[in-house]
Amino acid sequence: TQLLEQSPQFLSIQEGENLTVYCNSSSVFSSLQWYRQEPGEGPVLLVTVVTGGEVKKLKRLTFQFGDARKDSSLHITAAQPGDTGLYLCAGPLGQFYFGTGTSLTVIP
Amino acid sequence: DTAVSQTPKYLVTQMGNDKSIKCEQNLGHDTMYWYKQDSKKFLKIMFSYNNKELIINETVPNRFSPKSPDKAHLNLHINSLELGDSAVYFCASSPAVSNQPQHFGDGTRLSIL
Repeated sequence: TQLLEQSPQFLSIQEGENLTVYCNSSSVFSSLQWYRQEPGEGPVLLVTVVTGGEVKKLKRLTFQFGDARKDSSLHITAAQPGDTGLYLCAGPLGQFYFGTGTSLTVIP
Repeated sequence: DTAVSQTPKYLVTQMGNDKSIKCEQNLGHDTMYWYKQDSKKFLKIMFSYNNKELIINETVPNRFSPKSPDKAHLNLHINSLELGDSAVYFCASSPAVSNQPQHFGDGTRLSIL
């Protein structure tokens, strides 16, 4: 079992649909970050959430940090093919841990 | 300008060989990292250096030896390569340790024949 479990592991949806990706842990994190990784590239930071209950929006992406700071979610509205990629949550607990990843494919 | 650059991008070699991967960052960051991403895309930290000093050394075979000649460079040398070393290796940097955002290179895909 990994420290940060993401679900679903794979997601394939049609353009225009909405989706939510979850990142869960049994440990409390001081902050969580979300990254997106495209094929052949390294992960790129999307957002950092710090306060329990915090909600951050980045255009069509909405990120939420759980009240207890053990979980986070990423909601994408009206998904587009350009959203295709591997989404990773990550957080520090002594060292830096990455989640198990969610591979998203948006079909035109 | 590329912020974190690592070379080579692809490395194909025989089992038993020794190889090195180089990483350089021009962001002025104090902390640099090496990660291994396996075939299931799981990203796991291997090493972390802060101002040229080793601060994290995860359970990694001692065939892997990082070297940081200055805080802008962190190289990874691997001795006696094994089939299980096949993976994508990422270098990253951050302003400081702990919860700072990390900037990643584009990875080095290592394939062992």
